Amino acid sequence: QTVVTQEPSLTVSPGGTVTLTCASSTGAVTNVYFPNWFQQKPGQAPRTLIYSTTEKQSWTPARFSGSLLGGKAALTLSDVQPEDEADYYCLLYYGGAGYVFGGGTKLTV
Amino acid sequence: EVQLLESGGGLIQPGGSLRLSCAASGFNFRTYDMSWVRQAPGKGLEWVSSINDNGRIANYADSVKGRFTISRDNSKSTLYLQMNSLRAEDTAVYYCAKVDTAMVINFDYWGQGTLVTVSS
Repeated sequence: QTVVTQEPSLTVSPGGTVTLTCASSTGAVTNVYFPNWFQQKPGQAPRTLIYSTTEKQSWTPARFSGSLLGGKAALTLSDVQPEDEADYYCLLYYGGAGYVFGGGTKLTV
Repeated sequence: EVQLLESGGGLIQPGGSLRLSCAASGFNFRTYDMSWVRQAPGKGLEWVSSINDNGRIANYADSVKGRFTISRDNSKSTLYLQMNSLRAEDTAVYYCAKVDTAMVINFDYWGQGTLVTVSS
């Protein structure tokens, strides 16, 4: 069973920078996993921020960016704002086996 | 404006069946893959199933394989999830999502979800 691992929780000060990561139990994450990143606030549906590793949705604030870092997918938040406090999930694509979500990172600002 | 509206959730006894629907509007439904994602109370997101644009290719998470069936009616712009042999662990909010797979994979739009509670 494939497992995708994220940091369970992170804390960042307003104005700071934080990087969330997403690792696969199958090995290094590359672009062929088409990493997606989602933000979810309490009581709301998830909202997509990043797709295909680095691409932003039209509504994604510029302070959010996606990348590959040390064999993992990464989501970096710069100049963090109080409204960025949320749960963040990554999603990886495994071909015919479908998709797997990470366990989520609870970001506290 | 893209809209996805799930319906069909409710309280169902273990072993029962339920069919969820997701009515889509604001985009050319027949040209996009679609997916179901669920979230148990207080837990993370779990991918459930996806279906390609013409409905001929579907895949499932191991946790639902053999019990759930995804389908779509492109003439009605509606996605379905038939859920059989329901278990307590299937209790969750079920979201449908539009998936752009044209050279990318982009779960770009999500519905607001419908709650399924499996309990006696």
